[in-house]
Amino acid sequence: SQKIEQNSEALNIQEGKTATLTCNYTNYSPAYLQWYRQDPGRGPVFLLLIRENEKEKRKERLKVTFDTTLKQSLFHITASQPADSATYLCALGGTGGFKTIFGAGTRLFVKA
Amino acid sequence: SAVISQKPSRDICQRGTSLTIQCQVDSQVTMMFWYRQQPGQSLTLIATANQGSEATYESGFVIDKFPISRPNLTFSTLTVSNMSPEDSSIYLCSVRTGGDTEAFFGQGTRLTVV
Repeated sequence: SQKIEQNSEALNIQEGKTATLTCNYTNYSPAYLQWYRQDPGRGPVFLLLIRENEKEKRKERLKVTFDTTLKQSLFHITASQPADSATYLCALGGTGGFKTIFGAGTRLFVKA
Repeated sequence: SAVISQKPSRDICQRGTSLTIQCQVDSQVTMMFWYRQQPGQSLTLIATANQGSEATYESGFVIDKFPISRPNLTFSTLTVSNMSPEDSSIYLCSVRTGGDTEAFFGQGTRLTVV
């Protein structure tokens, strides 16, 4: 069955450093991959989408890479800030349908 | 973008009762979904709410337990029927405007069944 793996352990980093989160998947060939941010008690908020034919995408301090050979995406937050502390979810989607499957997320703590 | 109003935001219910969750969108959308998220777990798709027809349920979810209405393109309800403590979870309404565009979520309904 399709499976998405994100590091279940929380990531603790110092303010100003780059946070790198990993998303691995199996038994799936997604047409695109998305990253969402979720704060406690809130629904997920979309951050970035990267398609299967794209290697990298950037948005302000965010960078996403997508390696369909390794079946892996890396999500980077540069110059991290305490306000970046949240859970980050990876999501995969395919063509021809509208279902999106989500990973369990990785909790990020940025210390001042 | 889409703004979603979901209510109630939380509720504590007795086992054996039912709770209906409402999802209102500020614009007409084709695709509307209901998810469940248990603590520390990923979002699990319950069903796709189809306007004018019966919802499409994912494996493990049935209409008798989770009846869904979608009377128009801006509104949907999810009912959690005959609740048990195992139904305690966060339930999220989500919409998408196209095949691979981002999903927009309501703030969720935190349900506790006692």
